[in-house]
Amino acid sequence: QLRLQESGPGLVRPSETLSLTCTISGGSINSSSYYWGWIRQPPGKGLQWIGSLYYTGSTYYNSSLESRVTISADTSKTHFSLKLTSVTATDTALYYCARHVVEAAAAVDVWGQGTLITVSS
Amino acid sequence: SYELTQPPSVSVSPGQTASITCSGNKLGNKYVSWYQQKPGQSPALVIFQDNRRPSEIPERFSGSNSGNTATLTISGTQALDEADYFCQTWDSRTVVFGGGTVVTVL
Repeated sequence: QLRLQESGPGLVRPSETLSLTCTISGGSINSSSYYWGWIRQPPGKGLQWIGSLYYTGSTYYNSSLESRVTISADTSKTHFSLKLTSVTATDTALYYCARHVVEAAAAVDVWGQGTLITVSS
Repeated sequence: SYELTQPPSVSVSPGQTASITCSGNKLGNKYVSWYQQKPGQSPALVIFQDNRRPSEIPERFSGSNSGNTATLTISGTQALDEADYFCQTWDSRTVVFGGGTVVTVL
């Protein structure tokens, strides 16, 4: 059973860079069947896709965040990360890592438990 | 950019049928997924590829998609179905979510 677990700082200062890591247990990124992505949810609000990574290294980003976002995988292919630069209070949210099924229009079949990121001085 | 529109809320009596709509331009030409999210939990996939259910999802959840509207139907709604529901699709290499619908069972 594949599991995803986010890890991160919890609190980030305004204008700094948010860095999160997703650890994949029971699998790896090396599959043509899936994308690996990040989704966030501000408190009390809906879901916002941030971006996703394919095993080839190709990345896809939300156009509203693209200038500030980088998603990448490590060499072991069992971790992937999110970097979001120049954060503001509007970036405060619960951040999920997720596995998307390529053939199902990127349906998310596995979600992490989420990690709360607060942007505050 | 592509947009998906959902009603903010739907109310249903126990045992009745709840229908949640998701609208987008020519949405019927795309696959749609639906997620259920209960308070304090991660979303869970309940429908993918318009009308397919993961094995662990009860048969009372069903989906359809045609024209500009996809619909999630919950038949014989139970109190435990009270949750937020989000639709989602894939357009131009981006993942798009609807704004979400709060389903209240009363």
